[in-house]
Amino acid sequence: DIQMTQSPPSLSASVGDRVTITCRASQNIGSYLNWYQQKPGKAPNLLIYSVSILQTGVPSTFSGSGSGTDFTLTISSLQPEDSATYYCQQTYTTPRTFGQGTKLEIK
Amino acid sequence: EVQLVESGGGLVQSGGSLRLSCTGSGFSFNSYWMNWVRQAPGKGLEWVADIQDNGRERNYVDSVKGRFTISRDNAENSLYLQMNSLRAEDTAVYYCARRRLYGFDVWGQGTVVTVSS
Repeated sequence: DIQMTQSPPSLSASVGDRVTITCRASQNIGSYLNWYQQKPGKAPNLLIYSVSILQTGVPSTFSGSGSGTDFTLTISSLQPEDSATYYCQQTYTTPRTFGQGTKLEIK
Repeated sequence: EVQLVESGGGLVQSGGSLRLSCTGSGFSFNSYWMNWVRQAPGKGLEWVADIQDNGRERNYVDSVKGRFTISRDNAENSLYLQMNSLRAEDTAVYYCARRRLYGFDVWGQGTVVTVSS
């Protein structure tokens, strides 16, 4: 199985900060990398698919980059509503594994 | 409105069975791969199974192989997860999700499964 490792597990940042979350795959997954946002008690919400393509309706403050095994989610200017847990996921092969999540708190 | 609605969760004893359902609306259900994803209390997301748009190909995470069966009825716009030989570690919120291109772009609200030991 492909393991997805996110870092950091949690972080705290201020409104307006630039925030970066990384995701590393245990083997090459090409561009089959997605990012989700999940708020407490809610279903996950797709932010970015295929590494860098923004899902419709997602603010342009979110961006994704990377290839192969190393990927990054960046929030260019943190907003209060960005407080959530973020997950990466590979859909290169089954099982379609998720990272363990990064909990983002607003200071 | 594009929507997925799950049902069928509940409390069951270890070794028991449950059948989850997910009904789609607002889109061509028979054109999409569909998935089940679960989340144990306080834990992260775990992909459980998926099924091809025509139902021919099905895939499972190892921990549920031989116990869970994913199926669909495109005429009813419905996805199912038959869960047998349930264990305490299967306790979770179960979500159905649509796969579009490479990401899971539509999710249901989730249904809670609790397995008591």
